[in-house]
Amino acid sequence: AQSVTQLDSQVPVFEEAPVELRCNYSSSVSVYLFWYVQYPNQGLQLLLKYLSGSTLVKGINGFEAEFNKSQTSFHLRKPSVHISDTAEYFCAVSDSGGGADGLTFGKGTHLIIQP
Amino acid sequence: DGGITQSPKYLFRKEGQNVTLSCEQNLNHDAMYWYRQDPGQGLRLIYYSQIVNDFQKGDIAEGYSVSREKKESFPLTVTSAQKNPTAFYLCASSSMSSDTQYFGPGTRLTVL
Repeated sequence: AQSVTQLDSQVPVFEEAPVELRCNYSSSVSVYLFWYVQYPNQGLQLLLKYLSGSTLVKGINGFEAEFNKSQTSFHLRKPSVHISDTAEYFCAVSDSGGGADGLTFGKGTHLIIQP
Repeated sequence: DGGITQSPKYLFRKEGQNVTLSCEQNLNHDAMYWYRQDPGQGLRLIYYSQIVNDFQKGDIAEGYSVSREKKESFPLTVTSAQKNPTAFYLCASSSMSSDTQYFGPGTRLTVL
């Protein structure tokens, strides 16, 4: 069985400062990793994904994440945040590529941008 | 516009009543999913379907039922057996050859 741990439920950051949202996973098989963003009362939007290849993955809105197999981590980073980045961020894992059997999500990290 | 629609956005029901949430997609995706979201709990998989007329239970299927009579539609019924149905429900779909799930805008169900 897979599981995902997002270590921080809330992360407050000042505008234009860098941010890192942490994600660790556990799985007995090869995994595929995703970060989604959710704005209030909306569905989820894909930020980026790791399937294979380069361990540094670039996504939309200036976000990037690095897959670290030895540490079973997939932390999300942005060098300079904006007020509009305030949202809930979810890390998810699948062992079948597209998550044909469904994705396993972490509990989410609420990113709070302070002016 | 291609996408996933869920209706209604807000839904109120009395305790003991069954209620059906709609999910429609025009992306020609084979697979569709239902997730439940509770504050601080992330998303949990209720049911999924990879092909018409077939579906599988997810992690929290008890108290829910689904049907997949058409490729575009995957309605979820929250039955009176579901002990705590108040939540935000999200529908998603994906192509079997793709690696990305696309999500609808969600339905917030409140049982009074």
